[in-house]
Amino acid sequence: DIQMTQSPSSLSASVGDRVTITCRTSQSISGYLNWYHQKPGKAPELLIHAASNLQSGVPSRFSGSGSGTDFTLTISSLQPEDFATYYCQQSYSTPFTFGPGTKVDIK
Amino acid sequence: EVELAESGGGLVQPGGSLRLSCGASGFTFSSYWMSWVRQAPGKGLEWVANIKEDGSEKHYVDSVKGRFTISRDNARNSLYLQMNSLRDEDTAIYYCARDRVQWLNHAFDIWGQGTMVTVSS
Repeated sequence: DIQMTQSPSSLSASVGDRVTITCRTSQSISGYLNWYHQKPGKAPELLIHAASNLQSGVPSRFSGSGSGTDFTLTISSLQPEDFATYYCQQSYSTPFTFGPGTKVDIK
Repeated sequence: EVELAESGGGLVQPGGSLRLSCGASGFTFSSYWMSWVRQAPGKGLEWVANIKEDGSEKHYVDSVKGRFTISRDNARNSLYLQMNSLRDEDTAIYYCARDRVQWLNHAFDIWGQGTMVTVSS
């Protein structure tokens, strides 16, 4: 199985901050990487698919980059509604696996 | 509106069985792979299984192989997860998700609200 790590595991930030979250995989997955966020008590929501493609309806402050084993999610200017837990997920091979999550909270 | 709605969760004893259902609306169900994803209380997300558009291909995480069966009824726009030999560690919220495939990448673009499964004596 492909193992996923994320860093940091949590971060505190202010509205307007630029935030970067990193996801690393145990083997190369080309660009088969998606990003989600999840707010407490809610289902996850897809933000970025295939490493760098913005999901329809998602604000342009979200962007993704990377390929191979190293990927990044960037929020250019953090908004109040962005405080959530962020997960990466690989679809290079089954079983599909998620990263452990990065919790973004208010400083 | 595109929607998924799970049902069938509840409290079950270890070793017991449960069948989850997921009803789809607002899109052509038969044109999409579908997945089940679970989340244990206070934990992260774990993909459980998926099924191809016509049901001809299924994949599972190792921890549920031989115990869980994913299936679908395209005429009823419904997805199912038959769970047998349930264990304490199967306790989780179970989400149904549309498994959209683009450029061979599987992304979960629509999620249900989830249904809670509790395995306890």
